[in-house]
Amino acid sequence: KAGVTQTPRYLIKTRGQQVTLSCSPISGHRSVSWYQQTPGQGLQFLFEYFSETQRNKGNFPGRFSGRQFSNSRSEMNVSTLELGDSALYLCASALPLEGERNGELFFGEGSRLTVL
Amino acid sequence: LAKTTQPISMDSYEGQEVNITCSHNNIATNDYITWYQQFPSQGPRFIIQGYKTKVTNEVASLFIPADRKSSTLSLPRVSLSDTAVYYCLVGYGQNFVFGPGTRLSVLP
Repeated sequence: KAGVTQTPRYLIKTRGQQVTLSCSPISGHRSVSWYQQTPGQGLQFLFEYFSETQRNKGNFPGRFSGRQFSNSRSEMNVSTLELGDSALYLCASALPLEGERNGELFFGEGSRLTVL
Repeated sequence: LAKTTQPISMDSYEGQEVNITCSHNNIATNDYITWYQQFPSQGPRFIIQGYKTKVTNEVASLFIPADRKSSTLSLPRVSLSDTAVYYCLVGYGQNFVFGPGTRLSVLP
């Protein structure tokens, strides 16, 4: 069974540009969530999508956005990039269980973004 | 403001039992507590999940007291390959909060 696939794995952008990252979840998983990981702030939750709807959202500015398609694939976009956006962006998919908000997450290997 | 805390680092020797505690105030009634393991250049990997009391699987145990304001991950008989960063995760309302991570170093 294929795992969570994230593309691209590495990318370099300059300040002010925008970036789009892609995530393909495990087949059958309908929940996709995104996380930012930095040495200083650790793992921070960005947002979660379920059946094409944003269900949960972290404390990030509006420059960070996402969407989910009907096949559960998801993209996240960061506009007007800042130096502080340099990070590893992780995507995770899950089969949410009845009555639970956070079932077991299966993570991809991440997209490492460097902003110059 | 919800806050999740863990020890930043721990050292252990091969064959010992390791206990890592996570403190999580304001945990929501329906939220579960989950622990993940992360190796360098990889995404986190699920270890165990629980709601209350004790949960055990083939790799770890999770102890959660009645007030659910903390949880303890127990790794029996650690080996060198258990050297990694361990995160607790709980859901707070609309925001999932990871702990800062505990860097476990297993020494020979």
